[in-house]
Amino acid sequence: DQQVKQNSPSLSVQEGRISILNCDYTNSMFDYFLWYKKYPAEGPTFLISISSIKDKNEDGRFTVFLNKSAKHLSLHIVPSQPGDSAVYFCAAGSGGGADGLTFGKGTHLIIQP
Amino acid sequence: EAGVAQSPRYKIIEKRQSVAFWCNPISGHATLYWYQQILGQGPKLLIQFQNNGVVDDSQLPKDRFSAERLKGVDSTLKIQPAKLEDSAVYLCASSLAGTSGGGSPSHNEQFFGPGTRLTVL
Repeated sequence: DQQVKQNSPSLSVQEGRISILNCDYTNSMFDYFLWYKKYPAEGPTFLISISSIKDKNEDGRFTVFLNKSAKHLSLHIVPSQPGDSAVYFCAAGSGGGADGLTFGKGTHLIIQP
Repeated sequence: EAGVAQSPRYKIIEKRQSVAFWCNPISGHATLYWYQQILGQGPKLLIQFQNNGVVDDSQLPKDRFSAERLKGVDSTLKIQPAKLEDSAVYLCASSLAGTSGGGSPSHNEQFFGPGTRLTVL
């Protein structure tokens, strides 16, 4: 069973507009959520995280929103830039993030000029 | 700061052969993870070490996979014998989790190496 779901395999957004990537989870024990970005032939790169005690975390152009009651989180990228084109993975963990992570299948974000 | 190092980057073997992957985590990181990423999927945790002890190996196929982390630094992951379905990218990650003074969530971020792409023919 998939405990972390990213239902959009791909997303195309125009440069300068907002990109919104979505993620749903089922395990109530998850207390730490992360977004990773991955380019081909490279390992995932940490982007931003959020603890379950918060509902929003912001870092520059990236903001993650957490809705615990809906078991849903989203990543907003504003404004979107060509270098943002990559596969984005949503991940969740327990133990404040110390435990191994459970990943979604990823969303391929394509930023169009 | 040097990142997580992995070798080899690519490996092609025939089924029933054995293979080993090596990982050198970021200096000072107590916790080391091995993930398997099959094409089109997200990474799946295989095993987690804290220093040289195993924290979680519940998803490691122990009949053919083994891993060790001697001296709490470098780690090796071995597959013997390999099957066709083992074709995947094997990712190593490390974090400060479990490190003295590293208990806050921000210290638990996992940093990934470039991975080893294994093809089993």
